[in-house]
Amino acid sequence: DGGITQSPKYLFRKEGQNVTLSCEQNLNHDAMYWYRQDPGQGLRLIYYSQIVNDFQKGDIAEGYSVSREKKESFPLTVTSAQKNPTAFYLCASRLGGFNSPLHFGNGTRLTVT
Amino acid sequence: GQNIDQPTEMTATEGAIVQINCTYQTSGFNGLFWYQQHAGEAPTFLSYNVLDGLEEKGRFSSFLSRSKGYSYLLLKELQMKDSASYLCAVRTGTASKLTFGTGTRLQVTL
Repeated sequence: DGGITQSPKYLFRKEGQNVTLSCEQNLNHDAMYWYRQDPGQGLRLIYYSQIVNDFQKGDIAEGYSVSREKKESFPLTVTSAQKNPTAFYLCASRLGGFNSPLHFGNGTRLTVT
Repeated sequence: GQNIDQPTEMTATEGAIVQINCTYQTSGFNGLFWYQQHAGEAPTFLSYNVLDGLEEKGRFSSFLSRSKGYSYLLLKELQMKDSASYLCAVRTGTASKLTFGTGTRLQVTL
């Protein structure tokens, strides 16, 4: 079955360390996205990529970095520059066309202490 | 900028009908999506509206008025499993960006 896999489900890190969240999809979708979800704030867009080797900043890109070397993979690195990294991170993809919905992975809950 | 507003919480009774509203102020509107999200899980797609009017899909319907910047999600014959957050999201321009509202947490009671 096709889908989006995020790993790990829970991740714990010490402050000052960089950490990379994995996102893999086998849906053959062109576009991929990273969102962050905090209580009471909904989903906020961090980065998105419409094609391989290209990506754009979203609304809250500071302290994050991404790469898109393969169509299937869109890893997100949370750097030590991100001031409040503890959050629920959701990866999503979509096929293309204006009416195609986002398909989400099950998320990674990152806790930084 | 973009602004999307939804009520924070709603409560309804099993078997009843509930309407969840979403208002938006955006430039270059190009479609509105509704998602359902159970606690700790991924959002799942419910409906899409780009033209004015009502889209019906089983127990769920979604309405859009572009001139008023307004949409609602209508849930009929509520079931306990419908207790979840409902997210309104707007697409603007030709970009692939989707901007989400803060979500409405619906609690269905007996």
